[in-house]
Amino acid sequence: DAGVIQSPRHEVTEMGQEVTLRCKPISGHDYLFWYRQTMMRGLELLIYFNNNVPIDDSGMPEDRFSAKMPNASFSTLKIQPSEPRDSAVYFCASSFPDSSGNTIYFGEGSWLTVV
Amino acid sequence: AQKITQTQPGMFVQEKEAVTLDCTYDTSDQSYGLFWYKQPSSGEMIFLIYQGSYDEQNATEGRYSLNFQKARKSANLVISASQLGDSAMYFCAMREALKGGKLIFGQGTELSVKP
Repeated sequence: DAGVIQSPRHEVTEMGQEVTLRCKPISGHDYLFWYRQTMMRGLELLIYFNNNVPIDDSGMPEDRFSAKMPNASFSTLKIQPSEPRDSAVYFCASSFPDSSGNTIYFGEGSWLTVV
Repeated sequence: AQKITQTQPGMFVQEKEAVTLDCTYDTSDQSYGLFWYKQPSSGEMIFLIYQGSYDEQNATEGRYSLNFQKARKSANLVISASQLGDSAMYFCAMREALKGGKLIFGQGTELSVKP
């Protein structure tokens, strides 16, 4: 079975450029999470969706960040314009609606460097 | 507010010995799930073990067990017979089922296994 698929795995971009990170959740999962991981702030929940609808975006740092889920099999996290402080690993995760531990899966992460 | 605390930034353990990684949590909900994830140096998030708030028995998965003390709001991870491959970051996480599946993480504990 395919897991959560993220792309790109690595991206290096210049300050001011637009960055788009992509995620394909596991088929049948109806929760999707976007996390950012840095040394200073650890793992932060940015936003999560249920049935393609954003439920909580209180973790989105500022207006430069936006996330969409146009359908059950695809989500994007966009940063425009990007800044060096956005350099981090961005994880996407998906799950079924209950809190059973075996149903929360993470992608391998997108390693973003903004120079 | 929902909160996870891991008070041990780093831990050392001798190979083949057992080690306990601490985790305390704070929630006002009665229904919630507690998780432990392992993050090796390669960066992926690996699910280890889950404990539901209504589970009467402590969860076990191979060499991993979760010491769940509900009254004290603690969910410590015990790794028995440590192996060199256990060296990694370990994250405790909580999901409040009543709040639509939001999953938050502690700051993590870096475990180093000595030969």
